[in-house]
Amino acid sequence: QQPVQSPQAVILREGEDAVINCSSSKALYSVHWYRQKHGEAPVFLMILLKGGEQKGHDKISASFNEKKQQSSLYLTASQLSYSGTYFCGTEFTGTASKLTFGTGTRLQVTL
Amino acid sequence: ETGVTQTPRHLVMGMTNKKSLKCEQHLGHNAMYWYKQSAKKPLELMFVYNFKEQTENNSVPSRFSPECPNSSHLFLHLHTLQPEDSALYLCASSQERRQPQHFGDGTRLSIL
Repeated sequence: QQPVQSPQAVILREGEDAVINCSSSKALYSVHWYRQKHGEAPVFLMILLKGGEQKGHDKISASFNEKKQQSSLYLTASQLSYSGTYFCGTEFTGTASKLTFGTGTRLQVTL
Repeated sequence: ETGVTQTPRHLVMGMTNKKSLKCEQHLGHNAMYWYKQSAKKPLELMFVYNFKEQTENNSVPSRFSPECPNSSHLFLHLHTLQPEDSALYLCASSQERRQPQHFGDGTRLSIL
């Protein structure tokens, strides 16, 4: 029942764009996005609630497609600091406050 | 001191030992969480506490015993662990349930 993230890994050159997808087979209430750098704690990026809203944080934004039970994270003009593993955490409709995380997408930004 | 602090950062123990992991948050949050992070596996939720009451036990073996004496402190008591319990154990807190979670740096646990 864990969400499926794609791709599993991606390598970018600085300035390039990337999209990370998170798909669920169950009805979603919300999607959380986190980034974890090696040896560090996961850091919260944003929450999206059902309703198809799109959110942005600097050059990182995300959308939530309730019909497809899918969220996408968009990284624009990537910077070296974007490197890390990105996790989506999903809350299913009907289960309160229990985040189920995907296996993560490892992103590496190079010069 | 701010944020979520976990101690110890590293712990090596034998299968017959008893030890405890500690988590402290200075954010005034009401919900606290324990997660297990193993290599090549997703973050696994173990326990959720909301206003000091346990609201979620995600089918965790009884060799893991949580304790939440107040909204700022969370413990994970360990005894007779197995080698497969070796992992990074992360604590997190949030203002309320369904709010952004702030994670500590974790305790790297190795079972001999």
